[in-house]
Amino acid sequence: GAGVSQSPSNKVTEKGKDVELRCDPISGHTALYWYRQSLGQGLEFLIYFQGNSAPDKSGLPSDRFSAERTGGSVSTLTIQRTQQEDSAVYLCASSGTGVGPLHFGNGTRLTVT
Amino acid sequence: SQQGEEDPQALSIQEGENATMNCSYKTSINNLQWYRQNSGRGLVHLILIRSNEREKHSGRLRVTLDTSKKSSSLLITASRAADTASYFCATETTSGTYKYIFGTGTRLKVLA
Repeated sequence: GAGVSQSPSNKVTEKGKDVELRCDPISGHTALYWYRQSLGQGLEFLIYFQGNSAPDKSGLPSDRFSAERTGGSVSTLTIQRTQQEDSAVYLCASSGTGVGPLHFGNGTRLTVT
Repeated sequence: SQQGEEDPQALSIQEGENATMNCSYKTSINNLQWYRQNSGRGLVHLILIRSNEREKHSGRLRVTLDTSKKSSSLLITASRAADTASYFCATETTSGTYKYIFGTGTRLKVLA
């Protein structure tokens, strides 16, 4: 079975442009997380989806960031009007019930020039 | 803000030695997990310890949890060069939604 898939692997964009990052979780996993990791730093929580419940958006750093999860499966993280400080690796993870091991994708490395 | 703080931030040891990393957290938890990250990409789950457990083993890994001190430790015995990676603790909080908050990580280097 496939693991968590993220695309693109790398994204270079100009400051001010919008970007969309995609995450395909493991089939059947109800919980999905987005994290951000700056170079050499820990993981910063962004947003958490659990089943049909309202997502926990408490980690989104500004209103330029948004995420959705369609049909309880694929998720898209959108960053509008990107800034240089948005440069980081964006990691997606899923788990079967929200309790238990998180399965991570390989991340999207975003570089804003 | 980060829930967990690992120490040390970096650790360098010789192959065959034991490596100990510590994690402290701030709020009540349901469980605590340890993850490993190679090359700054995806993390791999190592071990989960529940709040009512005090110690757990998996192969060369030993994890302890002290909820009264809000701390956990990860011991890797007989380390190998392949253990070189960053190690993170993650706590499932009991407040609000059940989400996982990661610590700042320990960068372990095992010298051959």
